[in-house]
Amino acid sequence: EPEVTQTPSHQVTQMGQEVILRCVPISNHLYFYWYRQILGQKVEFLVSFYNNEISEKSEIFDDQFSVERPDGSNFTLKIRSTKLEDSAMYFCASSAGTGYEQYFGPGTRLTVT
Amino acid sequence: GQNIDQPTEMTATEGAIVQINCTYQTSGFNGLFWYQQHAGEAPTFLSYNVLDGLEEKGRFSSFLSRSKGYSYLLLKELQMKDSASYLCAVRELAGNTPLVFGKGTRLSVIA
Repeated sequence: EPEVTQTPSHQVTQMGQEVILRCVPISNHLYFYWYRQILGQKVEFLVSFYNNEISEKSEIFDDQFSVERPDGSNFTLKIRSTKLEDSAMYFCASSAGTGYEQYFGPGTRLTVT
Repeated sequence: GQNIDQPTEMTATEGAIVQINCTYQTSGFNGLFWYQQHAGEAPTFLSYNVLDGLEEKGRFSSFLSRSKGYSYLLLKELQMKDSASYLCAVRELAGNTPLVFGKGTRLSVIA
């Protein structure tokens, strides 16, 4: 069964550093999302992406964050200058279309020290 | 505003039936999703309701009442592997819109 993949599974970085989290959505999906989950808390929406542009973003997704689809398969989340509070599990998700369920990747655990 | 409420924790016995409730108050409604999340893993899709009534899928069923802002997930013939968090999520608008998640219900299945 097709699945969303994410790399790396765990990333440790120092405060102020830039990180890029990578995702490969399911191949025939058109809608892509990033969510995050701080340990012990609920899953929170960051950004959605369709047709090579951001569809919607939350208040969390400030100027520090950016997303890109650099080629036909990858979907990346960049955090320019990480803060301690960015430590969380970051999930990528994709869906085939509107009205369809979103499939989540295994997540990248980001630890900012 | 958005408010999605679920019990924080539940415990049930192997082989039994458990019902996990979810109430929601959102600015719009275009579907309710249930996801299962094992510790340290990604949420996996279980069910979707957009119309009132019961959707059955094997050992799992989900019910929706839009007028009451209420859903439940019913798990039958519980197995130890069902121990996980169960996340209720609402899509507020049609189209490519994000899911709004509740905090999840951690279910422990005991022998």
